[in-house]
Amino acid sequence: EAQVTQNPRYLITVTGKKLTVTCSQNMNHEYMSWYRQDPGLGLRQIYYSMNVEVTDKGDVPEGYKVSRKEKRNFPLILESPSPNQTSLYFCASSYTLAGVGEQFFGPGTRLTVL
Amino acid sequence: AQTVTQSQPEMSVQEAETVTLSCTYDTSENNYYLFWYKQPPSRQMILVIRQEAYKQQNATENRFSVNFQKAAKSFSLKISDSQLGDTAMYFCAFMKSGTYKYIFGTGTRLKVLA
Repeated sequence: EAQVTQNPRYLITVTGKKLTVTCSQNMNHEYMSWYRQDPGLGLRQIYYSMNVEVTDKGDVPEGYKVSRKEKRNFPLILESPSPNQTSLYFCASSYTLAGVGEQFFGPGTRLTVL
Repeated sequence: AQTVTQSQPEMSVQEAETVTLSCTYDTSENNYYLFWYKQPPSRQMILVIRQEAYKQQNATENRFSVNFQKAAKSFSLKISDSQLGDTAMYFCAFMKSGTYKYIFGTGTRLKVLA
């Protein structure tokens, strides 16, 4: 089944404890992205990648890191999480840019930072 | 910088009726794409409809259609024959051509009433 998977789906952690949210797609998509969703703010893009080893900042990259060492994986790293990073996180991928390919979203990761 | 505005935080519609969700955006770009995404209570993000800015013809997908007014920078979504399954949060999104940088609006929560 073609899909984007994220792990973990739920995570409660404490301030300053490094964590990684994994994202993997099995559709051979070129493009991948991370978003956070907060009430009243919609979805905001954190980072995106248009190819292996190529990443770019979205609108809210502060406090996050990403890497794209292989095509299928795009992990999101929080080196020192803080309570303002409590949010719902989505990973997404696309085969091509918007003209042809649609964006496929993962199921989301609910992160709580205490 | 691009912005996307959804001025209706919440709307409701009777089953089988028609409803229109509004979206305005601001950009100096000439080539871009616009999208409507649906997020039901399951939290899964689903693409509803896509519009290429260079196309004058409004996109349609079954009961969903858009009214794209490029000069006015307006991109409204019309849902005809509303169904209970249309109950969801709807997000308008913008993507500049040639990039994978998305800007989402804050969303409109639509409730379809039986």
